Amino acid sequence: AQKVTQAQTEISVVEKEDVTLDCVYETRDTTYYLFWYKQPPSGELVFLIRRNSFDEQNEISGRYSWNFQKSTSSFNFTITASQVVDSAVYFCALSEAGGGSEKLVFGKGTKLTVNP
Amino acid sequence: EPEVTQTPSHQVTQMGQEVILRCVPISNHLYFYWYRQILGQKVEFLVSFYNNEISEKSEIFDDQFSVERPDGSNFTLKIRSTKLEDSAMYFCASRKGVGQPQHFGDGTRLSIL
Repeated sequence: AQKVTQAQTEISVVEKEDVTLDCVYETRDTTYYLFWYKQPPSGELVFLIRRNSFDEQNEISGRYSWNFQKSTSSFNFTITASQVVDSAVYFCALSEAGGGSEKLVFGKGTKLTVNP
Repeated sequence: EPEVTQTPSHQVTQMGQEVILRCVPISNHLYFYWYRQILGQKVEFLVSFYNNEISEKSEIFDDQFSVERPDGSNFTLKIRSTKLEDSAMYFCASRKGVGQPQHFGDGTRLSIL
């Protein structure tokens, strides 16, 4: 069965600090996809990144970077030089590709507060 | 950029009443989903829909729930007889193809009184 664990419930940092959000997943499939979504206070879910299980290259997009490690079943998300606008709940999610619906299974989310 | 559209943004309904939540997925997407998020909790899968039929549903999606794609653009979620515990944010999502990300609408906040 699929499972996503985000052990950090809440993180509070001061602007310009770097912060890493942890995500650990469980799946029996060999082909799967990992995602991060951002939910700002306004409530919508904003797609940030997708990774497939065969691509372990780390990715950087501006101040955001993602570290995918199959050996530890982790897909961590780092924000460099955090800003107040980064304050949101961040969800890690997993979908299995084994011929099913590719439904997303979400973690419980990490609430990030960036203080000025 | 194309986006998923949901209406209404907020629905208040008396317990026991029927409610229909509406979604317009992105036009060239083929896979459609409904999720719900009870206040302060994680996002939970309800149902997926492909090729005009349900492809998977969760335990939450019982006989009180149904989905429909009545025409080429709309995708609806109906709750036949609402309960207090149905109060949540309901998100519609769509994706284009295999392995592609799901794009979410802004959600409908459903409040059952």
